[in-house]
Amino acid sequence: EADIYQTPRYLVIGTGKKITLECSQTMGHDKMYWYQQDPGMELHLIHYSYGVNSTEKGDLSSESTVSRIRTEHFPLTLESARPSHTSQYLCASSERYRGADTQYFGPGTRLTVL
Amino acid sequence: GQQVMQIPQYQHVQEGEDFTTYCNSSTTLSNIQWYKQRPGGHPVFLIQLVKSGEVKKQKRLTFQFGEAKKNSSLHITATQTTDVGTYFCADFSGGYNKLIFGAGTRLAVHP
Repeated sequence: EADIYQTPRYLVIGTGKKITLECSQTMGHDKMYWYQQDPGMELHLIHYSYGVNSTEKGDLSSESTVSRIRTEHFPLTLESARPSHTSQYLCASSERYRGADTQYFGPGTRLTVL
Repeated sequence: GQQVMQIPQYQHVQEGEDFTTYCNSSTTLSNIQWYKQRPGGHPVFLIQLVKSGEVKKQKRLTFQFGEAKKNSSLHITATQTTDVGTYFCADFSGGYNKLIFGAGTRLAVHP
């Protein structure tokens, strides 16, 4: 099982609040990712990073921002939460295996914005 | 951009029946990976296929990569309630240097 952690696991918050979702991994992986997913539905890539000080926006437009100051840490921040942000947020890191990146996912943060 | 299409979107089966999900692309797939996500859980890597025509088995699960590398399939023999979840295929795009996930197939197994 992969060593990738997310906190909090569940968060209920009011509209307009600033929140930071934490993600850390102890595997020394350079590549990390954030996905947004409604339960059991499609995975939407919202941010990714190929290493320290590298961040890119993903395929799905998101009002969130990320930072990558340390290899093991990849937090996601929402400056002003809205009900439309209610979803599950999955963090992942990857390693190269047989010529392709295999992803390891954290347990996710279920966010509810009231 | 590159797209990976999965069918069906949903599948309901009786316990003991077989199940198959398909992953298709209009372009050549590079490396196909399969992931399983249990309800309330997170995706977990199952297997990777890299060679044309490759077939791999994990107990009741059989994974296949098409000869033309434009499709892949996951077949489950004699489903059990523990097979419930969403199965995702993903292609590693060397050009984009990241995984492109299909939309997933949700499997429900009725006892």
